[in-house]
Amino acid sequence: DTGVSQDPRHKITKRGQNVTFRCDPISEHNRLYWYRQTLGQGPEFLTYFQNEAQLEKSRLLSDRFSAERPKGSFSTLEIQRTEQGDSAMYLCASSLNVREQYFGPGTRLTVT
Amino acid sequence: GIQVEQSPPDLILQEGANSTLRCNFSDSVNNLQWFHQNPWGQLINLFYIPSGTKQNGRLSATTVATERYSLLYISSSQTTDSGVYFCAVVTTGGFKTIFGAGTRLFVKA
Repeated sequence: DTGVSQDPRHKITKRGQNVTFRCDPISEHNRLYWYRQTLGQGPEFLTYFQNEAQLEKSRLLSDRFSAERPKGSFSTLEIQRTEQGDSAMYLCASSLNVREQYFGPGTRLTVT
Repeated sequence: GIQVEQSPPDLILQEGANSTLRCNFSDSVNNLQWFHQNPWGQLINLFYIPSGTKQNGRLSATTVATERYSLLYISSSQTTDSGVYFCAVVTTGGFKTIFGAGTRLFVKA
């Protein structure tokens, strides 16, 4: 078990471009979560999957954001037409049912 | 929605001192976790503690669910304890996880 991994670790993109991030959870975990964290703030919940089903989405997740978890394994988070306000750290976590969540190292997005 | 408040927001300690961090939440929760975020942004699990008391080395935590608060105790602090400590709760009946704003701890040598 190597923990939760995220790729890429850093992404710099120009405004208007699309970006996609990947998260690989701990293998036996059935729940996967995405968060966004800006400087000086706590992580903010974006969305949650149980297996392949996306069960809850935050109002923070605008129409430009989409997340998938095909086959209940890895997950992707796509941001279309990026804006400077999307610059943040994007964190992924996984858990086994309602037990503790384990976080990946995050993907730091900078939109120029 | 549920509110999670952490105090103090900032804390400066001399190495070797003890401290208590507090997390108040405004509604019933399914679970509660404490995390330490290191300077590289990695969130490290400290405790999964929806109720009761747990200890791990110099750290311990207590959650009183009926009174809607949790405490994190750090004893004999070390410079490596510096960073941000977050409390996070999962709402009852849902799966949304709410983080507090964190306590920023700096331990001086």
